[in-house]
Amino acid sequence: EIVLTQSPATLSLSPGERATLSCRASQSVSSYLAWYQQKPGQAPRLLIYDASNRATGIPARFSGSGSGTDFTLTISSLEPEDFAVYYCQQRSNWPPGYTFGQGTKLEIK
Amino acid sequence: QVQLVESGGGVVQPGGSLRLSCAASGFTFSSYGMHWVRQAPGKGLEWVAFIRYDGSNKYYADSVKGRFTISRDNSKNTLYLQMNSLRAEDTAVYYCAKDNRMVQGVIGDDAFDIWGQGTMVTVSS
Repeated sequence: EIVLTQSPATLSLSPGERATLSCRASQSVSSYLAWYQQKPGQAPRLLIYDASNRATGIPARFSGSGSGTDFTLTISSLEPEDFAVYYCQQRSNWPPGYTFGQGTKLEIK
Repeated sequence: QVQLVESGGGVVQPGGSLRLSCAASGFTFSSYGMHWVRQAPGKGLEWVAFIRYDGSNKYYADSVKGRFTISRDNSKNTLYLQMNSLRAEDTAVYYCAKDNRMVQGVIGDDAFDIWGQGTMVTVSS
């Protein structure tokens, strides 16, 4: 099973700053990687798919990069509504399945 | 608008059964793979199961294999999760989620673009 490791576990930043979140896979996942944002009491929201494509309605300040085993979600200038937990997720063709990283909590400094 | 609404959660004793439903609207349900994802209290996300758009392929997480069954009724735009032999560690919010894109392969798309609001399942004596 492919394991996704996110770092850091918690990131403390101020509005207006740049956020860089990391997701590392235990083996190559090609570009089959997605990023989600989850706020307390809400369902996750898709931000990025195929490692670098923004989902519908996602602001341009969110960007994704990487391929293979190392991926990054960047938020160029933090807005107050961006403070949340972020998860990466991969799809495996064999054995068929999906795994999520453990999450990065982005909190206000 | 595109929407998924789960129902069927509740409190059940260990060893018991429960069936969750997910009603879809606002998109062509029969064209998309669908998933169940769960989140234990205070924990991260765990993928549970996938069903292909036509129901021909189903895959499960090892943690639920042999106990849970995913199914769908495309005539009713509804996804199901039959949960048997429930354990305390199955306690979680269960979300249904839609494949981001229509995919013809044996496994679904690599991302889930629409999620329901979740339904809570508590396994406790």
